[in-house]
Amino acid sequence: AQSVTQLDSQVPVFEEAPVELRCNYSSSVSVYLFWYVQYPNQGLQLLLKYLSGSTLVKGINGFEAEFNKSQTSFHLRKPSVHISDTAEYFCAVSGPHNQGGKLIFGQGTELSVKP
Amino acid sequence: SAVISQKPSRDICQRGTSLTIQCQVDSQVTMMFWYRQQPGQSLTLIATANQGSEATYESGFVIDKFPISRPNLTFSTLTVSNMSPEDSSIYLCSGGTNYEQYFGPGTRLTVT
Repeated sequence: AQSVTQLDSQVPVFEEAPVELRCNYSSSVSVYLFWYVQYPNQGLQLLLKYLSGSTLVKGINGFEAEFNKSQTSFHLRKPSVHISDTAEYFCAVSGPHNQGGKLIFGQGTELSVKP
Repeated sequence: SAVISQKPSRDICQRGTSLTIQCQVDSQVTMMFWYRQQPGQSLTLIATANQGSEATYESGFVIDKFPISRPNLTFSTLTVSNMSPEDSSIYLCSGGTNYEQYFGPGTRLTVT
């Protein structure tokens, strides 16, 4: 079975500082990995995804993530955050053997950017 | 990409009643799913909405409580039956492919 652990439930950071949101996964087979963002009272928006190939993935809004197979991690990073990045961030996993697109989510990380 | 809409966006319902949530995708998608997001928590998959056949439910979710229809490749409904306050959640549908899922804005349900 697959699972996802987001290591931080809340991450407070000052504006223009760098941030890293940590995600570890567990799976016995190859996986696809995703980061989604949820702004207050809205649905989920895909930030970026890793399917195969280059382990460094760039997404929208200046975010990037690095797939590390040996450490089973997929941490999300941004070099300089803005107030508008305040939101809930979810790491998710699916895979070729996981009935096509079915996502298993981590618990979420609340990013709070302060001025 | 795909744009997904849901109706209603929110509702307040009485205990014991049922609510049907609609999910419309602006293009044909192979896969559609329904998720529940309880207050302050992550998303939990309820079921896979299969086009033209019965939905596939995850452990802990049953068809009698959450009947799902998917008559075509762009539309699905989820009914929350015989509601109790514990059903108060955000219900989200998603649609897409094996490689990418797009989410609707969610339906915020409050059961009193």
